[in-house]
Amino acid sequence: DIQMTQSPSSLSASVGDRVTITCRASQSINNYLNWYQQKPGKAPELLIYAASSLQSGVPSRFSGSGSGTDFTLTISSLQPEDFATYYCQQSFSTLMYTFGQGTKLEIK
Amino acid sequence: QVQLQESGPGLVKPSETLSLTCTVSGGSISSYYWNWIRQPPGKGLEWIGYIHYSGSSNYNPSLKSRVSIVVDTSKNQFSLKLSSVTAADTAVYYCARDSCSGGNCYSDYWGQGTLVTVSS
Repeated sequence: DIQMTQSPSSLSASVGDRVTITCRASQSINNYLNWYQQKPGKAPELLIYAASSLQSGVPSRFSGSGSGTDFTLTISSLQPEDFATYYCQQSFSTLMYTFGQGTKLEIK
Repeated sequence: QVQLQESGPGLVKPSETLSLTCTVSGGSISSYYWNWIRQPPGKGLEWIGYIHYSGSSNYNPSLKSRVSIVVDTSKNQFSLKLSSVTAADTAVYYCARDSCSGGNCYSDYWGQGTLVTVSS
């Protein structure tokens, strides 16, 4: 199985801050990496697919980068609505998709 | 606008079979992969499995012996069955549509989720 490890597990930041979340795969997954945002009591929403492609309707302050085993999600200037939990997911192994454990972004 | 809606019992007894259905509206179930994903209370996301509209499927190896996902194209629905449930199967269950591009697949539409509690 391909393991996905996110860091940090939690993060405190202020409105306007630049934030970076990291996701590392246990083996190369090319760019088969997606990022989701989940707010309490809600279903996850797709932010980024194929490591760096912005999903339609997602604000441009969100960006993704990386390839192989190391990936990052960056929020350029935090907005109040961005405080949520973020998950990475690999789809390289079609036998088993796996998610990272999540990164909870909280207000400082 | 594509919408997905999960339906099924919210309470299942231990050792019984959990059954959920996802109804797709606003679009055809054809030409996509369809997932089930779950989230135990306070925990992260776990992929259960997917089915292609053609009927081919793939499951999480840790659940494979207990899981079945089927598709009904005539009703624009797909369904999950999870047998021999225990309290560890208590979770919010989501259905989601996968789009694929260049080999990468991603869940671009999700149902709102339904809480299934396993308890006697």
